[in-house]
Amino acid sequence: DSGVTQTPKHLITATGQRVTLRCSPRSGDLSVYWYQQSLDQGLQFLIQYYNGEERAKGNILERFSAQQFPDLHSELNLSSLELGDSALYFCASSYSLTGEIDEQYFGPGTRLTVT
Amino acid sequence: QKEVEQDPGPLSVPEGAIVSLNCTYSNSAFQYFMWYRQYSRKGPELLMYTYSSGNKEDGRFTAQVDKSSKYISLFIRDSQPSDSATYLCAARDSSASKIIFGSGTRLSIRP
Repeated sequence: DSGVTQTPKHLITATGQRVTLRCSPRSGDLSVYWYQQSLDQGLQFLIQYYNGEERAKGNILERFSAQQFPDLHSELNLSSLELGDSALYFCASSYSLTGEIDEQYFGPGTRLTVT
Repeated sequence: QKEVEQDPGPLSVPEGAIVSLNCTYSNSAFQYFMWYRQYSRKGPELLMYTYSSGNKEDGRFTAQVDKSSKYISLFIRDSQPSDSATYLCAARDSSASKIIFGSGTRLSIRP
């Protein structure tokens, strides 16, 4: 158990809908990262927040957005869902921003199925 | 071209064999190199990391980086059925927290 929690574990929804994925980082960790893992694209970095502020952006679609709240939990919002958005979404957390290897601890993921 | 390339496998070896997993990368700015292990239906977990070129050993695992050829390797000695998982190589440069992952190699150790 990494100490990172994600809810829900599974989500099935229809095209065009909007969903919110939630992540609680490990106690004391200030950075939260979101990743998408699909069979054809592998594990792709979406976005990072550090202590409430956006710090890095990866291959995140405009239909997707995220935020980190004062209690450090984070939410990833996915809207106008398409079939291709079906994937595993992982949240990871770490203590610091950058620097030497800063181990990212991954949560168990949310499996999103868009039908 | 992906920044980190990895053969997806699957790779199946008998218990006790030495396993060699490999990746190549294209970005010369990468300085940190990592191997993650991902069991089915779980999130990735950091197995090993190295900074710049060289070897690093941890028990049955050895990570190797050759920056001149942009080659990353992970060796597993005395492989066990519990090592069966997907192994992801990853890299990043020193200024960014964004990690670039390979596509993962699915490894199966046969008892």
